[in-house]
Amino acid sequence: DTGVSQDPRHKITKRGQNVTFRCDPISEHNRLYWYRQTLGQGPEFLTYFQNEAQLEKSRLLSDRFSAERPKGSFSTLEIQRTEQGDSAMYLCASDTGSDTQYFGPGTRLTVL
Amino acid sequence: AQSVTQPDIHITVSEGASLELRCNYSYGATPYLFWYVQSPGQGLQLLLKYFSGDTLVQGIKGFEAEFKRSQSSFNLRKPSVHWSDAAEYFCAVGVESGYSTLTFGKGTMLLVSP
Repeated sequence: DTGVSQDPRHKITKRGQNVTFRCDPISEHNRLYWYRQTLGQGPEFLTYFQNEAQLEKSRLLSDRFSAERPKGSFSTLEIQRTEQGDSAMYLCASDTGSDTQYFGPGTRLTVL
Repeated sequence: AQSVTQPDIHITVSEGASLELRCNYSYGATPYLFWYVQSPGQGLQLLLKYFSGDTLVQGIKGFEAEFKRSQSSFNLRKPSVHWSDAAEYFCAVGVESGYSTLTFGKGTMLLVSP
């Protein structure tokens, strides 16, 4: 399977802890996106990478959030000092200039 | 900035009946339009997309959608619904040039009754 993969699929953490999620895009997709989806809502854009460069960040991405894509392949999204409001599904997508984004299965975060 | 409205939060359709899910967008230029489907606890699967050309687009699983510029709409249709179509459906719009961060609607949950 050469689709977008995300790890872990589920994460339960206590408020105040740090968490890190990983996304592996489809091979050779140079564009990678992170979205957040809360219950009853559609996904909302968080940030975008072209290769290793982070080119856009949403205002939803507070300074507790940081994303990296060090070698232009996989990406990580870290949330520091988690809050209950961070509970959501975190979705990763990738594309290669075709303007069609392919989504991974998501990481569901629950902050207790 | 672009926006998407899906006016129906829930729709219930009998198996075998036809389906239409509504989507209205707001964007100043020609949009890129998408329909995605999401099963419980899963990521998003692309059903179909419109970039340009023929305004009636065919997708996977027997779905189609029609772009109507005059109505700023991109409604999703299926002539005969199957129980396996029960899921949440999201309409999304992207800008025309360069990379495209998608703006999604809030989704429509489709329930299929026997």
